[in-house]
Amino acid sequence: EDQVTQSPEALRLQEGESSSLNCSYTVSGLRGLFWYRQDPGKGPEFLFTLYSAGEEKEKERLKATLTKKESFLHITAPKPEDSATYLCAAFSGNTPLVFGKGTRLSVIA
Amino acid sequence: KAGVTQTPRYLIKTRGQQVTLSCSPISGHRSVSWYQQTPGQGLQFLFEYFSETQRNKGNFPGRFSGRQFSNSRSEMNVSTLELGDSALYLCASSFQSQPGELFFGEGSRLTVL
Repeated sequence: EDQVTQSPEALRLQEGESSSLNCSYTVSGLRGLFWYRQDPGKGPEFLFTLYSAGEEKEKERLKATLTKKESFLHITAPKPEDSATYLCAAFSGNTPLVFGKGTRLSVIA
Repeated sequence: KAGVTQTPRYLIKTRGQQVTLSCSPISGHRSVSWYQQTPGQGLQFLFEYFSETQRNKGNFPGRFSGRQFSNSRSEMNVSTLELGDSALYLCASSFQSQPGELFFGEGSRLTVL
């Protein structure tokens, strides 16, 4: 059964304090790894898709990387507006997109 | 362009009742997926429709059903509501069948008393 596990569950950072969120997956034949951002009371918003180990994608202060077992979302010099829940999801082609439970990020000014 | 629209945004029902939720996808998108989101379980896949056909179904009881119309709008229905059905129900549309970038609506928050 495909599984996606995210850690930590919650992360509290000072503004400017860089860190990384982890997404480990157990998926046979990964065809895509997705990152989404979800603000309170809103639906998830697409950030990145990664397709193969070694691939990296960047957007503003966020950079997503992918290995054969996990993905990282690196946040460089975060700002309070980066506070949100970050979700990752994996697709194997056998089942629909499987989501992790998310990491709730709080950035304190 | 207009995003994914879900109605109603909030609703309160009692056990045993049924509920119908509606989703209007982004214009041109033919795939609609439904997810249940709870604090304990996260996002759980319910089903996906593509061009009026159910493509995939998640591990939910038969009380959960859905359909898609020729204009790609979709509805999901939950019959004989239970307390555990309280959740945020999210609809997502995409141009093609999963995977691909999903565009989510803001959800319908269902409370079952």
